[in-house]
Amino acid sequence: DTGVSQDPRHKITKRGQNVTFRCDPISEHNRLYWYRQTLGQGPEFLTYFQNEAQLEKSRLLSDRFSAERPKGSFSTLEIQRTEQGDSAMYLCASSTPGQGRGNTIYFGEGSWLTVV
Amino acid sequence: GENVEQHPSTLSVQEGDSAVIKCTYSDSASNYFPWYKQELGKRPQLIIDIRSNVGEKKDQRIAVTLNKTAKHFSLHITETQPEDSAVYFCAASIAGTYKYIFGTGTRLKVLA
Repeated sequence: DTGVSQDPRHKITKRGQNVTFRCDPISEHNRLYWYRQTLGQGPEFLTYFQNEAQLEKSRLLSDRFSAERPKGSFSTLEIQRTEQGDSAMYLCASSTPGQGRGNTIYFGEGSWLTVV
Repeated sequence: GENVEQHPSTLSVQEGDSAVIKCTYSDSASNYFPWYKQELGKRPQLIIDIRSNVGEKKDQRIAVTLNKTAKHFSLHITETQPEDSAVYFCAASIAGTYKYIFGTGTRLKVLA
């Protein structure tokens, strides 16, 4: 499977614990995105990278959230001191370079987080 | 601010009828508008997209229209089938960035 892959697919954690999600984009894609989706809502933008540079971070993202893409390949999204409101599906996506600003983004299957 | 509104939130149609989903966007400089289909528990998958230099695009039973003046675009599905039942999301690119803002989704039910 050469699509976007995410790990773990499901995570249940206790409030206050830290969690980390990993995303492996499609190999030739240099842009990588993190979105959050709650039930009945559309994907909400969190942050995105071009290669290893984090170009934008949503104002909705608190300081408890951090994302990295150290070598411009895979990315991690860490949530510290989780809260019940963090329960959601965290979607990773990647896109192809070289087509201007209207590049198609391809999503992974998502990582479901439940904070209890 | 950056916003995409999507209507209706739910839509039920009889099999074989047409379905139309509408979105409006706030950034007049948006130039790319994809539509995604998401089945329960699965990833959003691109079904069709349109760029700002065209007004309409068709792919078999699916079409998208764009009205830049009014800042709205629509998804049209003809001859609906039960397998078209899913949640559909529209999105718009944000000028000066590579990010996309999504609508809140439309749950389409095709009744056999």
